[in-house]
Amino acid sequence: KNEVEQSPQNLTAQEGEFITINCSYSVGISALHWLQQHPGGGIVSLFMLSSGKKKHGRLIATINIQEKHSSLHITASHPRDSAVYICAVRSNYQLIWGAGTKLIIKP
Amino acid sequence: ETGVTQTPRHLVMGMTNKKSLKCEQHLGHNAMYWYKQSAKKPLELMFVYSLEERVENNSVPSRFSPECPNSSHLFLHLHTLQPEDSALYLCASSQELGSAETQYFGPGTRLLVL
Repeated sequence: KNEVEQSPQNLTAQEGEFITINCSYSVGISALHWLQQHPGGGIVSLFMLSSGKKKHGRLIATINIQEKHSSLHITASHPRDSAVYICAVRSNYQLIWGAGTKLIIKP
Repeated sequence: ETGVTQTPRHLVMGMTNKKSLKCEQHLGHNAMYWYKQSAKKPLELMFVYSLEERVENNSVPSRFSPECPNSSHLFLHLHTLQPEDSALYLCASSQELGSAETQYFGPGTRLLVL
């Protein structure tokens, strides 16, 4: 069992829908990252969290340390949000990666 | 643009070839990383360099050989690869090697081994 689990693995939604991607982990962490990988491979770091909530534009990331769970939300989703979203946690100087959630937003 | 560039973007090679992947970061960072991303698998950390010294090697086969001549450049030398080595190879850098550092990724090199 992977130490970082993401759900769902695949998600298809209509433009404008509110999107939630979940990440659960089983190890002690010092930080959690959400990243976005576009078709073709480029990866962009979206958020780094150690507690609470962060917001950037239409993206919101939350983390609950006690429950070992984080969520990434996208409001007013748009086709350009289509990408793979990856959760990664820092634990004892290691970076442990989730398998990613493939998001497709249809016009 | 993240400030991390990788060349080539695509590479096709035979199992007997020798090739090198190049990564360059323009961010003044001190730590650099090589990752492998295979289809439908999580990213795998291959090598970590801090101030040009290798600090981590996650049991990578010897047919992959990293080189870090200075803090801005990182190479991955490839020789006698296997078809299962076909993957996306990503380079990343961070300011320091630390548990809360954000890593900045290059666009990756998509490698196909025939």
